[in-house]
Amino acid sequence: EVQLVETGGGLVQPGNSLKLSCATSGFTFSTAWMNWIRQTPGKRLEWLAQIEDKSNNYFISYLESVKGRFTISRDDSKSSVYLQMNNLKEEDTAIYYCTGGPLAYWGQGVMVTVSS
Amino acid sequence: DVVLTQTPPTLSATIGQSVSISCRSSQSLLHSNGNTYLNWLLQRPGQPPQLLIYLVSRLESGVPNRFSGSGSGTDFTLKISGVEAEDLGVYYCVQSTHAPPTFGGGTKLELK
Repeated sequence: EVQLVETGGGLVQPGNSLKLSCATSGFTFSTAWMNWIRQTPGKRLEWLAQIEDKSNNYFISYLESVKGRFTISRDDSKSSVYLQMNNLKEEDTAIYYCTGGPLAYWGQGVMVTVSS
Repeated sequence: DVVLTQTPPTLSATIGQSVSISCRSSQSLLHSNGNTYLNWLLQRPGQPPQLLIYLVSRLESGVPNRFSGSGSGTDFTLKISGVEAEDLGVYYCVQSTHAPPTFGGGTKLELK
């Protein structure tokens, strides 16, 4: 059974940082292209970042509006993907999903609330 | 960025009725490699989205064949042939032909 479990969300003040983790199992993580996608309170879905596999030199791409603030990374030995989020803004408030496949597998999501 | 416009925003249906959802793109989704990277997702209440259809018309494993996708270029359609109660939720189209990947605004399917 495919499982993706996101952790690390919570309430944070504007300007602060959070690191999200996504632990996976049930599929061949090492060859999967992994993504982070968020869903705003208004239910809009927004792709944030992708990291490709080793055969593609772990190529990374970002949504322009989060480039420089968000960093995606992966650890194939732990079948996990991460999203480091710095200088958070209120508009970053959303449910954050990790996905693989790149959209075939989804986690349950983790809530991030940025508020003072 | 590519803008995907879904219509209608809300769809009311009875069980057994056939319905269609449209997804129109601001530019052609035909990739230079010949593929068209247009997918459909369903998000049931309280659940993450799930992949229904990829590459316009290919059914994801385990998805009932009452779902079908069609279209080309800038115009795409998801059809449900005989709505069942488990089909209720919000449907999204998503493209990954052009960077960055973008999503439609969603179509909520509800019971009439």
